[in-house]
Order: sequence, then structure tokens, then C-alpha cells
Amino acid sequence: EAQVTQNPRYLITVTGKKLTVTCSQNMNHEYMSWYRQDPGLGLRQIYYSMNVEVTDKGDVPEGYKVSRKEKRNFPLILESPSPNQTSLYFCASSPSTSASTDTQYFGPGTRLTVL
Amino acid sequence: RKEVEQDPGPFNVPEGATVAFNCTYSNSASQSFFWYRQDCRKEPKLLMSVYSSGNEDGRFTAQLNRASQYISLLIRDSKLSDSATYLCVVNMNAGTYKYIFGTGTRLKVLA
Repeated sequence: EAQVTQNPRYLITVTGKKLTVTCSQNMNHEYMSWYRQDPGLGLRQIYYSMNVEVTDKGDVPEGYKVSRKEKRNFPLILESPSPNQTSLYFCASSPSTSASTDTQYFGPGTRLTVL
Repeated sequence: RKEVEQDPGPFNVPEGATVAFNCTYSNSASQSFFWYRQDCRKEPKLLMSVYSSGNEDGRFTAQLNRASQYISLLIRDSKLSDSATYLCVVNMNAGTYKYIFGTGTRLKVLA
């Protein structure tokens, strides 16, 4: 089944404890992206990647890191999480980078709480 | 002014009604436009891309008005299953892959 998977789905952690949220897609998509969704603010793009080893900042990259060492994986790293990073996180992928009109396919989301 | 703005609703409509949502965007250079649907606590899913000439998919019609910088979504013959939040998404600049999401318009279709 074609899909985007995220792990963990739910995470409660404490301030300052490094964590990684994994994202994997099995559709051979070139483009991948991370978003956070907060009430009243909608989805905001954190980072995106056009292909392996190519990443760029979205609108809210502060406090996050990403890497794209393989085409299928795009982990989101929080080196020192803070309570303002409590949010619902979505990973998404899209078939190609030749057109920004491509559909984005979203993972099921990761609900993160930082105490 | 927000880059992409939507009326948050909720729009409460009876089954069978026609309902329309608008979404305005601030950057006149914006190139790509989409409507996504999001059910409560679930991931967004593409409903429709929006083309310059307008496009229709069954009961759903999307329109783009570049002069006034808004896109619209019309839903005819509303079903209970249409209840969801509808997200307007804009790709702001050609050649980039930065997407701006509106905060969503909530629709409740009532029996």
C-alpha cells in the first residue's frame, strides 16, 4: 500500500531531551516536507526537501533540524525541545519536483507534547 | 495581513444545500492553488487542485480569480459526509516548494 508513515504517533517528553520523529514514504517521491499544525494558525511548513541531500527552510524552521540521506526517509530532529514545540506534526511527500502543482500525500500525524 | 485567509466558520448547512467558501491570498505571484480536506485529527487529503479556467469534480467546483486574488470552492447537494475542515493551500512563488495553508473553514452538514 502506498503510504507515508510517521513514528511515533504520540510522544510526551520533557524540555531539552533530544528527540527524532521519523517519516518514511514508499512511493519513490522526490519531494518531502514537514509541517506543524496549531489551533488558529493552521499548518505551517517547517522544512522541505527536493531530493536526497537537498533541504530548505520553510516558514518556521527555528528549533528543528532535518536530514535527507535516503530518498524514502525524512526525519525531523528536535535537538532541545521546548514547550512551544508542542504541536501536531505532519510529514508529506509529493511525486516530483518538476511541478509545484503535484499533490502532497500526508502521513497520519505525530502529536508531540513537551512538558 | 495573512498570506492566505479563510473564514473559519463553522458553516452549518442542511443536507442538500449548496455552500461556498472563499480564500484570499496576498501574493499576486502565487502560482498553484489547492483545496484540501481535513477530518478531525486526521491528515489533510487533496480535494482538488484549482486551475485558472476553473474545474469541477462531481459536486465540487473550484474557481480562481487572479484579479481579486481569491479562490473559491462550491459544494452542491451537501452530504453528511462532507462535514470536515476545508483548507486552502497556495504555492507562493514559481520554482519554490513553499506552501502556505489557510487556517481552514469548518463545515457541518446537518441531517
